[in-house]
Amino acid sequence: QVQLVQSGAEVKKPGASVKVSCKASGYTFTSYYMHWVRQAPGQGLEWMAIINPSGGDTNYAQNFQGRVTMTRDTSTSTVYMELSSLRSEDTAVYYCARASQMATTSGPDYWGQGTLVTVSS
Amino acid sequence: SYELTQPPSVSVSPGQTARITCSGDALPKKYAYWYQQKSGQAPVLVIYEDSKRPSGIPERFSGSSSGTMATLTISGAQVGDEADYYCYSTDSSGYHVVFGGGTKLTVL
Repeated sequence: QVQLVQSGAEVKKPGASVKVSCKASGYTFTSYYMHWVRQAPGQGLEWMAIINPSGGDTNYAQNFQGRVTMTRDTSTSTVYMELSSLRSEDTAVYYCARASQMATTSGPDYWGQGTLVTVSS
Repeated sequence: SYELTQPPSVSVSPGQTARITCSGDALPKKYAYWYQQKSGQAPVLVIYEDSKRPSGIPERFSGSSSGTMATLTISGAQVGDEADYYCYSTDSSGYHVVFGGGTKLTVL
């Protein structure tokens, strides 16, 4: 069965960076794109980025351009999302989610459990 | 930037049909996906590619799309269907990905 297991909660100070991991299992890692989506407390879902685990090419939301970096390690079937220059508004639950097909336009079908990132001085 | 517009809330009585809409200029060309999110949980895919239902999703969930509007229909809504529902799609280039603002479904 498809599983996406994310790293644990993080507390960071403003201006710092955070790197969240997402380990995939139960399917061929390089055959499906991977999304990152976040949700601030009491707010809706916000799409951040997508990566092609095969080639490593990425597409980032305009809101995060220059601050977010997605990478992958095919040897461990793990995707990483790093967000820099953190501010209090970045406090949110961050989800990785597998795209339903090998296309950047395909919505997610399986989601990780979420990682809470808290930014506080 | 591209936007998908959903009503903030929809309310129905148990057993009635709930319809949640999602409006976007590129929907005539791009698929819509629908997600259910219950409090404190990760989202769950309930409809993909406008109208297809993943395995394990009850038949009372259906989707359609016409022109610039996609619709999620829950026939015979149950109290257990209370949740936030989000649509997902992209602009016509496929480059800008967005979620709708979400609709809170109340069944009482």
